[in-house]
Amino acid sequence: EVQLVESGGGLVQPGGSLRLSCAASGFTFSSYWMSWVRQAPGKGLEWVANIKQDGSEKYYVDSVKGRFTISRDNAKNSLYLQMNSLRAEDTAVYYCARFSTLPLAFDIWGQGTMVTVSS
Amino acid sequence: QSVLTQPPSVSAAPGQKVTISCSGSSSNIGNNYVSWYQQLPGTAPKLLIYENNKRPSGIPDRFSGSKSGTSATLGITGLQTGDEADYYCGTWDSSLSAFWVFGGGTKLTVL
Repeated sequence: EVQLVESGGGLVQPGGSLRLSCAASGFTFSSYWMSWVRQAPGKGLEWVANIKQDGSEKYYVDSVKGRFTISRDNAKNSLYLQMNSLRAEDTAVYYCARFSTLPLAFDIWGQGTMVTVSS
Repeated sequence: QSVLTQPPSVSAAPGQKVTISCSGSSSNIGNNYVSWYQQLPGTAPKLLIYENNKRPSGIPDRFSGSKSGTSATLGITGLQTGDEADYYCGTWDSSLSAFWVFGGGTKLTVL
């Protein structure tokens, strides 16, 4: 079964750091771009970051550039999101998603992990 | 404020048809494929339509998609109460500020 399972969410103070993980199974992880998409409470979806199959290309939404780092370990079938200098507006459910280029879409999603930034 | 504009809500009776619009620009919808996602209450999003009008396996043909110029439309026929969900459009964006953009989402209520 194709599956993505996120972990690492929790409560963190403003200015703090958190590292999210996503464990992939059921498909050849190293063959796909991977992404993080977030959803603030009661709000819509927001794409956060993408990483190429070999990690050579990374893209970020403007609001997290310089603070978040996406990475992957193909040997461990795992995706990561290192979040630094967290702000209240980063509070959201963070979804790990497989970004397929054929077809061009987020075709597999994890169940999400909640990140709350509050003092 | 989302780059792609969707109506906040739509509603229709069971068995009826509804359409959800998604408006963008030449830097996104106008030159790229559109996909649609369904998010049932309390769950993760699910791919519903890709490449403007194609359905992944397992998605019933009650769901359809189309694109014209800088706008896209999701259609749902034979509405069922189980279709109540939030629907999001999304596409690649060639501007410098984002790799991918989503619409603000549309809440479908089946009356």
